[in-house]
Amino acid sequence: EVQLVESGGGLVQPGGSLRLSCAASGFTFSNYAMHWVRQAPGKGLEYVSAISSYGSSPFYANSVKGRFTISRDNSKNTLYLQMGSLRAEDMAVYYCAREYCSGGSCWNYFDYWGQGTLVTVSS
Amino acid sequence: QSALTQPASVSGPPGQSITISCTGISGDVGSYNLVSWYQQHPGKAPKLMIYEVSKRPSGVSNRFSGSKSGNTASLTISGLQAEDEADYYCCSYVGSRLYVFGNGTKVTVL
Repeated sequence: EVQLVESGGGLVQPGGSLRLSCAASGFTFSNYAMHWVRQAPGKGLEYVSAISSYGSSPFYANSVKGRFTISRDNSKNTLYLQMGSLRAEDMAVYYCAREYCSGGSCWNYFDYWGQGTLVTVSS
Repeated sequence: QSALTQPASVSGPPGQSITISCTGISGDVGSYNLVSWYQQHPGKAPKLMIYEVSKRPSGVSNRFSGSKSGNTASLTISGLQAEDEADYYCCSYVGSRLYVFGNGTKVTVL
């Protein structure tokens, strides 16, 4: 069974940093591109960042570019999001999501999601 | 990248069909047949319902269908059931390995 379990959320002051983790199980993690999507309280989904299966070529939404860094450790089946210079508008539930990939190609949709971890930015 | 435009809410009685629209621009919905739809119940993670405009993952009811015309994609739910009451989000690939979501539609079963 595919499982994605996020952790690392919590309360952080504006300007602070936080690292989120997403532990994957039930599939060959190194074969799949992975993504972060967030949802502010009472708001819609917002795309955040992507990383390829082998960990190169990270991509970021303009809203987090230069402040967030996505990475992965395929030996630990874990995805990360290092968040810095946090702002009030970064407060959200952060989901990790798997992009469906097969035969070496990925297909631009998210077939599994974690339950999310809440990041609260407040002084 | 601005969010795709969805109606804030759509409702219907059990058994009826409803359609949720998702309007983008030529750079997103209009350029790629890579629109997906996600269902989200309160406090839960999103669930994939439709991918590549009109394809249904295994396990998703055939009451859910998708289509696209120009810059607008649509999700139709036929035979509306109480369990369909949820928020629905469209998502489009926009190039450079990035995506944009719709602002979300709350579906209410009357």
